[in-house]
Amino acid sequence: KAGVTQTPRYLIKTRGQQVTLSCSPISGHRSVSWYQQTPGQGLQFLFEYFSETQRNKGNFPGRFSGRQFSNSRSEMNVSTLELGDSALYLCASSPGTGEVQPQHFGDGTRLSIL
Amino acid sequence: DAKTTQPPSMDCAEGRAANLPCNHSTISGNEYVYWYRQIHSQGPQYIIHGLKNNETNEMASLIITEDRKSSTLILPHATLRDTAVYYCIVRDKYGGATNKLIFGTGTLLAVQP
Repeated sequence: KAGVTQTPRYLIKTRGQQVTLSCSPISGHRSVSWYQQTPGQGLQFLFEYFSETQRNKGNFPGRFSGRQFSNSRSEMNVSTLELGDSALYLCASSPGTGEVQPQHFGDGTRLSIL
Repeated sequence: DAKTTQPPSMDCAEGRAANLPCNHSTISGNEYVYWYRQIHSQGPQYIIHGLKNNETNEMASLIITEDRKSSTLILPHATLRDTAVYYCIVRDKYGGATNKLIFGTGTLLAVQP
């Protein structure tokens, strides 16, 4: 079974731009979660989507948004980029229903803001 | 905030067992203990999880104390490729309709040749 795939792996943007990151979950997984990892704050939860609906959201400004498509693929968008948005953005997937099961992570998109 | 406490770093000699402790003194009856690790520049990798009984898989063993307030992850024969940050996470059995994981700062395990 293919793992979680995130694209692109690396991205360089400038302040004020916007960016869209993509995540393809493991086949059959309906839950997709996004995390931001920085040296100062560590791994922080951004939001989770299940069956095209956001079902939980972390403490991030409205510039951070996401969506999920009917095939469970997900995208996250960051608008009006700031230097502090430089981070590794990770996506994780799991089946999403019933008793919790392990989440499986992709290798992330490393976003650098100049 | 994370509900677990781990030492910031540990060393282990290659070929020896690595024992990584985790305190979760406020764990409730429905909460599992999960372990993940993150090798540099990769996403976190699931290792093992348990509720109250000891668990073993091809990667590691998980020992949970009888009062469930602490646990130990054991890598039986550490190799250089096991050098990583190890995260201990407490999760509700049914997730409360969410798969949110709360990561602490983890333990950096350095396996020495």
